[in-house]
Amino acid sequence: QSALTQPPSASGSPGQSVTIPCTGTSSDVGGHDYVSWYQQYPGKAPKLMISQVSERPSGVPDRFSGSKSGNTAFLTVSGLQAEDEADYYCSSYAGNEIFVFGGGTKLTVL
Amino acid sequence: EVQLVESGGGLVQTGGSLRLSCAASGFTFSNHWLHWVRQVPGKGLVWVSRINPDGTRIGYADSVKGRFTISRDNAKSTLYLQMNSLRAEDTAVYFCVREKGAAGLHWGRGTLVTVSS
Repeated sequence: QSALTQPPSASGSPGQSVTIPCTGTSSDVGGHDYVSWYQQYPGKAPKLMISQVSERPSGVPDRFSGSKSGNTAFLTVSGLQAEDEADYYCSSYAGNEIFVFGGGTKLTVL
Repeated sequence: EVQLVESGGGLVQTGGSLRLSCAASGFTFSNHWLHWVRQVPGKGLVWVSRINPDGTRIGYADSVKGRFTISRDNAKSTLYLQMNSLRAEDTAVYFCVREKGAAGLHWGRGTLVTVSS
């Protein structure tokens, strides 16, 4: 049960696009289409942004999109806005009723 | 409106026990998979445990296996986490999470557990 790998930080200017990778193994990210992404502001509970690799829950702006290639999943935020500055976490089902999170990426809007 | 309200956190000594509860409302509790996720303040999210609707399928993170027990009472719409043999590294905010499509759709506000000698 090793944590998924995310870069500790990412940044972009307003209006730009930024992509955050989340790397796992063939046992988790690569083996299941159950990758999800969460946004978290300081002191708040996480909010689901993407489920099942690329599905956006109701109410999530379409600026947020998800994809996967092999053992790496990606969260792309297009048209960056100031309110997108937050921590982002990926998570994946790893089989046998086990889940795993990434270490988190702090997104800064310059 | 879906609500998940955790309780039972607090200060406990190393080696002690604590039982967390999560009172749910606003949805049909008995139909949903549920999780516990924890977070050391200022650090990342860590998955702890998951339980299916009838309590027959359960998973635990290696770090808590054998010490923590997840359970649910569908009649009371309440999720539990029994935590035994607590260690300093179990200190964290514990979130109750309702799953949809293998993702955490709804989260509670969390309850803080502090383990100290």
